[in-house]
Amino acid sequence: AQSVTQLGSHVSVSEGALVLLRCNYSSSVPPYLFWYVQYPNQGLQLLLKYTSAATLVKGINGFEAEFKKSETSFHLTKPSAHMSDAAEYFCAVSAQVQAGTALIFGKGTTLSVSS
Amino acid sequence: NAGVTQTPKFRILKIGQSMTLQCAQDMNHNYMYWYRQDPGMGLKLIYYSVGAGITDKGEVPNGYNVSRSTTEDFPLRLELAAPSQTSVYFCASRAGGGFYEQYFGPGTRLTVT
Repeated sequence: AQSVTQLGSHVSVSEGALVLLRCNYSSSVPPYLFWYVQYPNQGLQLLLKYTSAATLVKGINGFEAEFKKSETSFHLTKPSAHMSDAAEYFCAVSAQVQAGTALIFGKGTTLSVSS
Repeated sequence: NAGVTQTPKFRILKIGQSMTLQCAQDMNHNYMYWYRQDPGMGLKLIYYSVGAGITDKGEVPNGYNVSRSTTEDFPLRLELAAPSQTSVYFCASRAGGGFYEQYFGPGTRLTVT
């Protein structure tokens, strides 16, 4: 069965600092992996996705993530944090369910950015 | 395109009341999903549908029902509201092919008191 673990429920950085949000997955098949962002009182927006085409995936707003099969990881990074990056971030893996596929989400990491 | 829309945005229910959360998408997606989000718990799948007339249970279906009579609409029904159903509910959809990317609605915040 597929699962996702996000290490650290809360990460705080200063503006301009490196952002690193950690995600480890478990999957019995080659995974499709996703990072979503949720701004306060909004729905989830896709940041980026891994679909086996390239191990380094670039997303919106300067974020990128690297798929490392040997470490079963898909960590999200951004070289320089901006105040507008403050949000909750979810890692997800695509999973087979009885009649199709669904996403299995991690518990989320709240990113705080201070000036 | 409006994408995925949900109504209402907020609702307060009394214990034992019933309500329907509405979800619609205008992207002609076959797959639709209902999730609930509780603080610190991520999103949990309640029900999903792979097309009109076909639905199935997810991880946390108890206390909920769904129907899918059209491609566009996927309402979620709460029959006897309980405090444990206080949550934020998200509807999502995706196309049949592609790489399983889901598009989310803005959510419905439900409080049961």
